[in-house]
Amino acid sequence: QKEVEQDPGPLSVPEGAIVSLNCTYSNSAFQYFMWYRQYSRKGPELLMYTYSSGNKEDGRFTAQVDKSSKYISLFIRDSQPSDSATYLCAIRANSGYSTLTFGKGTMLLVSP
Amino acid sequence: NAGVTQTPKFQVLKTGQSMTLQCAQDMNHNSMYWYRQDPGMGLRLIYYSASEGTTDKGEVPNGYNVSRLNKREFSLRLESAAPSQTSVYFCASSEGANQPQHFGDGTRLSIL
Repeated sequence: QKEVEQDPGPLSVPEGAIVSLNCTYSNSAFQYFMWYRQYSRKGPELLMYTYSSGNKEDGRFTAQVDKSSKYISLFIRDSQPSDSATYLCAIRANSGYSTLTFGKGTMLLVSP
Repeated sequence: NAGVTQTPKFQVLKTGQSMTLQCAQDMNHNSMYWYRQDPGMGLRLIYYSASEGTTDKGEVPNGYNVSRLNKREFSLRLESAAPSQTSVYFCASSEGANQPQHFGDGTRLSIL
């Protein structure tokens, strides 16, 4: 089983839809959770960073973490064509120095 | 704000040639990283430098060397390029070893 699983998509939605992007992970030592957005031919851009279970909101974006189920989600409200990108989850453990483990990314397409 | 700057943006090499990819950050970050991104494989860590003067292997270090030239600059060298090293290479930096990482826009490298 891969450490971090993410559906590659593509996920196609109409403008204005609520989008749900998800990752599952297997290592209970993972404690810090990030979501990155990557536009075509660009580097990943940090969207959300959280280390606790529950929800964290930033504008149209909400990150949700359920450590008991080892499941994290990113919700996008009122999706826009400019949200069309690949979304990567990234997770790391809490012990000492640890590197990030990335999901393979989900491609999102928002049509006008 | 430039953030993380990578040069060159594109490069084509022949098998056996050598090349150094350059990365510089202007955020006064302590930690720097090199990743490669391949279709279906996601982001994989090649090498990282937790602080100036230290470097460590990541998940896929074979065929690469790195130099942390100073706090700002972290270079990646391919001594004898192979077609399997065709990829998009990303440099990232973070304030501390366990802080969120910020990425450059990548170097697209093709090896024939």
